[in-house]
Amino acid sequence: AQSVSQHNHHVILSEAASLELGCNYSYGGTVNLFWYVQYPGQHLQLLLKYFSGDPLVKGIKGFEAEFIKSKFSFNLRKPSVQWSDTAEYFCAVNSGGGADGLTFGKGTHLIIQP
Amino acid sequence: EAEVAQSPRYKITEKSQAVAFWCDPISGHATLYWYRQILGQGPELLVQFQDESVVDDSQLPKDRFSAERLKGVDSTLKIQPAELGDSAMYLCASSRDRAPSGANVLTFGAGSRLTVL
Repeated sequence: AQSVSQHNHHVILSEAASLELGCNYSYGGTVNLFWYVQYPGQHLQLLLKYFSGDPLVKGIKGFEAEFIKSKFSFNLRKPSVQWSDTAEYFCAVNSGGGADGLTFGKGTHLIIQP
Repeated sequence: EAEVAQSPRYKITEKSQAVAFWCDPISGHATLYWYRQILGQGPELLVQFQDESVVDDSQLPKDRFSAERLKGVDSTLKIQPAELGDSAMYLCASSRDRAPSGANVLTFGAGSRLTVL
């Protein structure tokens, strides 16, 4: 079975700081990787995804993530955060065959202080 | 932008009562998912439908939970009887693809928040 581990449950940063949120997964086969974001009072939205190809993927709002297969990691990064990035961030994985639903991590609550 | 519709948004019930949640996926989406999200945790898959068939219900507590998608479009998730530990957000998601596919991008609804007293 797949599992996803997000190391930081709560992160507090100041505006303009750089961000990196860790995500590790456990699954021996081909995987698809996702980051979803949940802004306060809103539903889960897709931030970015990795299916294959270039391991560095770019998403919306200046976010990017790098798939490192040897480390089973898919860390989320942003060079300069804004107050509006305050949200809950979830890493998720499903198997490469696509038949499975997503397995989510527990989430990271990110607070950006102005 | 097409959305996944869910109702009700909020439901308060007493334990041992029955509750039902409804989901209307994006038109044309073959696969529908029900997730449960307990406060402070990530969503957990309860059941997955492809068209009208159940693909995965291994995490659905079948003694009290049931789900159906009779015509392969909208879906209902029922809990009977509700227990205190069922308090959570119930999320519906849909995706265009049918298994097996290269990748499955899920679009989520706003959720139904259940409080059991």
